[in-house]
Amino acid sequence: GENVEQHPSTLSVQEGDSAVIKCTYSDSASNYFPWYKQELGKGPQLIIDIRSNVGEKKDQRIAVTLNKTAKHFSLHITETQPEDSAVYFCAASIAGNMLTFGGGTRLMVKP
Amino acid sequence: GAVVSQHPSRVICKSGTSVKIECRSLDFQATTMFWYRQFPKQSLMLMATSNEGSKATYEQGVEKDKFLINHASLTLSTLTVTSAHPEDSSFYICSAPDRRANYGYTFGSGTRLTVV
Repeated sequence: GENVEQHPSTLSVQEGDSAVIKCTYSDSASNYFPWYKQELGKGPQLIIDIRSNVGEKKDQRIAVTLNKTAKHFSLHITETQPEDSAVYFCAASIAGNMLTFGGGTRLMVKP
Repeated sequence: GAVVSQHPSRVICKSGTSVKIECRSLDFQATTMFWYRQFPKQSLMLMATSNEGSKATYEQGVEKDKFLINHASLTLSTLTVTSAHPEDSSFYICSAPDRRANYGYTFGSGTRLTVV
């Protein structure tokens, strides 16, 4: 089955700096790669996703890149703000099937 | 956008009792519902997949007789934790793929179960 590795497990940045979180996946058939933000006591919230026919996608301060050959994808957050502090999860799936999650990254943005 | 309503958000129960968690898709038909469990400071782990009108598929190590899943309609899936024990205390989250959104996934808000 699919295996998703996520790094780093914790990330501390200064407000205004950029944050990068990286994930690798094992199943070359996976074609859907979402990123979720989870705040304490709440369910995951989708922040951006990318499908295998696209190499990069951007939404304001958030961007995701996908390298299908290397089977890795990354989340980039620019101009970080304290409210970006949360746990972020990457995931991979064959669209419509189960999501396999990475281990999570606790992002702390220091004012 | 697609919404999955999950209830209750928090429940405390005594050891040996059963707890039912409901997930309703409010504006789309959820033919499939994924049930995840998340222990503190850990990732989401798939427990089971339910499909409307058929038996659920359980992941290895998940007891089907303990975690009863019912998906009797296109808008409702339930997870019942039977004879709950303290080690079942966890955050339970449901998720459904939405065909209208090209199979993006909608998550419920989660249920914090504490067994005392």
